[in-house]
Amino acid sequence: EVQLLESGGDLVQPGGSLRLSCAASGFTFSNYAMSWVRQGPGKGLEWVSAISGSGDNTYYADSVKGRFTISRDNSKNTLYLQVNSLRAEDTAAYFCAKYRVVVANSDFDIWGQGTMVIVSS
Amino acid sequence: QVVLTQSPSASASLGASVKLTCTLSSRHSTYAIAWHQQQPEKGPRYLMNLNSDGSHIKGDGIPDRFSGSSSGAERYLTISSLQSEDEAEYYCQTWGTGYVVFGGGTKLTVL
Repeated sequence: EVQLLESGGDLVQPGGSLRLSCAASGFTFSNYAMSWVRQGPGKGLEWVSAISGSGDNTYYADSVKGRFTISRDNSKNTLYLQVNSLRAEDTAAYFCAKYRVVVANSDFDIWGQGTMVIVSS
Repeated sequence: QVVLTQSPSASASLGASVKLTCTLSSRHSTYAIAWHQQQPEKGPRYLMNLNSDGSHIKGDGIPDRFSGSSSGAERYLTISSLQSEDEAEYYCQTWGTGYVVFGGGTKLTVL
């Protein structure tokens, strides 16, 4: 069964950091680009970041550029998102999603269940 | 920058059909999109990829009740024989190299 399982979400103070993880199973992880998408409370989906299958190419939304870093470990079938300098507006459920191709240029065909990040003092 | 526009809400009766619309910005009227369903308190679920000519590829296990079509800059998701579990938020998505855009979502209520 193809599955994505996120973890690492937590309550953190403004200015703090977290590392989110997404464990993939049921497919050849390195053959697909991956992405992070977030959803603030009561809001719609917002694309955050993407990475190619090899990890050579990364992309970010303007709202997180310079603060968030996406990476992957293909030997561990795991996607990461390092989130630094957190702000209240970063409070959201963070989902990982799988592209249908190896480059970050397609729709998403698999989603995880999400991990919650709450930024509050 | 491509923009996707969705009506915030829609409603239809149990057993009826409903057609949801996602409109691409005019300069991007030939783009393909994807439809995703998000039931309350769950992660999104991929429904289908939909091209400008109306051809679509559904995700694994998506019932035949779900279909897609296109006309100009509009992309449609039709759900027939509505069931209670179809009550959800529906998002359209488009993309380019290194970016993704979502519509604002349509909340579907099954009466």
